[in-house]
Amino acid sequence: DADVTQTPRNRITKTGKRIMLECSQTKGHDRMYWYRQDPGLGLRLIYYSFDVKDINKGEISDGYSVSRQAQAKFSLSLESAIPNQTALYFCATAGTEGNQPQHFGDGTRLSIL
Amino acid sequence: SQKIEQNSEALNIQEGKTATLTCNYTNYSPAYLQWYRQDPGRGPVFLLLIRENEKEKRKERLKVTFDTTLKQSLFHITASQPADSATYLCALEGNAGNMLTFGGGTRLMVKP
Repeated sequence: DADVTQTPRNRITKTGKRIMLECSQTKGHDRMYWYRQDPGLGLRLIYYSFDVKDINKGEISDGYSVSRQAQAKFSLSLESAIPNQTALYFCATAGTEGNQPQHFGDGTRLSIL
Repeated sequence: SQKIEQNSEALNIQEGKTATLTCNYTNYSPAYLQWYRQDPGRGPVFLLLIRENEKEKRKERLKVTFDTTLKQSLFHITASQPADSATYLCALEGNAGNMLTFGGGTRLMVKP
């Protein structure tokens, strides 16, 4: 089983719909992240959480919200989806020690029509 | 503003040759630099980390250099194989703690 699992893997929806992307991890890491990836733009940080009671905005948080339900679960919501939120979304985890690598899920491909 | 640049054009090389990928950055003083590999339809996978006070780091056929004066990291794959074909991402981390800023990645194609 994958250490970082994202659901769904693919989603097509319409403008204005509310969408939730889910991430769960079995690595026991405290730190979790949500990124979006667009062609040529690399990964951009949406939100991050360093523990269950900690939520922080990243570079591009407008239009998104998150919930850290437990150490192992971190979900990303689009309250009212718009077409320019069409992208590949990744969840990642990391340990609390400094300079630790991040461990990524295999992503959710989201298309908003 | 902070900027990380990787060659957006694909790098095509012949099997057995050394592949060299470049990561340049501006307006940034990273404490650490990481390299990741990403295959189509998959998430990035960590390869190597190098600290600002290290000039070079090696792991099997991989070598990373980090020049804080030139603000550049080079990523080398020696004796390249078709299985090395993927997109390679560099990521910079400051001293604030595990906050990475990623470059756009370079696609490597190794031809048999």
